[in-house]
Amino acid sequence: ETGVTQSPTHLIKTRGQQVTLRCSSQSGHNTVSWYQQALGQGPQFIFQYYREEENGRGNFPPRFSGLQFPNYSSELNVNALELDDSALYLCASSSMFSGNTIYFGEGSWLTVV
Amino acid sequence: AQRVTQPEKLLSVFKGAPVELKCNYSYSGSPELFWYVQYSRQRLQLLLRHISRESIKGFTADLNKGETSFHLKKPFAQEEDSAMYYCALSGGGTQGGSEKLVFGKGTKLTVNP
Repeated sequence: ETGVTQSPTHLIKTRGQQVTLRCSSQSGHNTVSWYQQALGQGPQFIFQYYREEENGRGNFPPRFSGLQFPNYSSELNVNALELDDSALYLCASSSMFSGNTIYFGEGSWLTVV
Repeated sequence: AQRVTQPEKLLSVFKGAPVELKCNYSYSGSPELFWYVQYSRQRLQLLLRHISRESIKGFTADLNKGETSFHLKKPFAQEEDSAMYYCALSGGGTQGGSEKLVFGKGTKLTVNP
């Protein structure tokens, strides 16, 4: 059973640019959630995808968007990057068949300069 | 509003001493509470959830609805318990998906030899 994998692990972008982060969910998990973790803070919920549809969203602006694919992998896209977007972005997957336990990836570190 | 408060940013104890990591929450409804742990250079992982009423790695946590608390306790701390601990609250299951989590800012526990 493979765990949640994310790519890239680190990246640096310039303010105003766009970024795409990728996540492969744990085998058999049909629900993917994304969290933003700024330095010194706990993770904050961005949104969740279930069966390729957005299924709940946190307090993030529309320039944060996502996708889920038929194989349940997911992308997080952020447009018009701002300095405050610098953070660790965590992907988490779950399934009712795993008791809805949420499994996290190692994250993608984004630095906006 | 849903909120999780971990009042201690840092907690340092000696090996063999009891440890208690505090967590208070604000939630209008019946919450589900969790403790997540992140060991050095590892991903965030579930330590325990209140509905399981389990003891994991010697840790227990009791939900006190009157005091809106979910403190994590261990009678005899070990050096390998040194890690970042996050208390989290389930924001309610989204339709068809799983829990959206609201995290506290975390407490860094150091167990000294």
